[in-house]
Amino acid sequence: SQQGEEDPQALSIQEGENATMNCSYKTSINNLQWYRQNSGRGLVHLILIRSNEREKHSGRLRVTLDTSKKSSSLLITASRAADTASYFCATDVRAAGNKLTFGGGTRVLVKP
Amino acid sequence: GAGVSQSPSNKVTEKGKDVELRCDPISGHTALYWYRQSLGQGLEFLIYFQGNSAPDKSGLPSDRFSAERTGGSVSTLTIQRTQQEDSAVYLCASSSRHAHSYEQYFGPGTRLTVT
Repeated sequence: SQQGEEDPQALSIQEGENATMNCSYKTSINNLQWYRQNSGRGLVHLILIRSNEREKHSGRLRVTLDTSKKSSSLLITASRAADTASYFCATDVRAAGNKLTFGGGTRVLVKP
Repeated sequence: GAGVSQSPSNKVTEKGKDVELRCDPISGHTALYWYRQSLGQGLEFLIYFQGNSAPDKSGLPSDRFSAERTGGSVSTLTIQRTQQEDSAVYLCASSSRHAHSYEQYFGPGTRLTVT
């Protein structure tokens, strides 16, 4: 199975609500990254959290990392319709150098 | 400067034909990656170039797929004798690998349809 797996696969919320999605992985990592993809095209980097960090914030985004559970979560607070996208976690596995392994993504729909 | 660019943005080809997809990375970025994304799926790693090192081709699905990177900049992904299962969005990314920073910058992708 994939190194990074997101949960849930899909999420539908109302504008203003918070959206939380999780990512689990299997092997030791250098860092974990979250990306956003609109309309099935290029991905946009959101945030990178290193293996020695536990929490990181960027604007309305909050990412946590629990290396003991090999899991990460992405929280989007006060969601907006423009946050509608697919969100992917990607792990930088130590044994694979700088090659990122992406999960299957969480499709988020924010309804106005 | 400009971001990662890819061309063409869309390509429709007949089964059995060869196709070439192009990627122009961000100037100065030493690392370049190719990924494939089938409809509604995650990204599948294909190949990775880092500076002058031998590329990591471990993700190429068959010997019909090849890629090269000329002069450490532009890269071309070639698919020979295309099959319908090759239909996907092909994404290129580049990164400037320096300590503690492994962020990848993605191009808009090439949507390949094999009929």
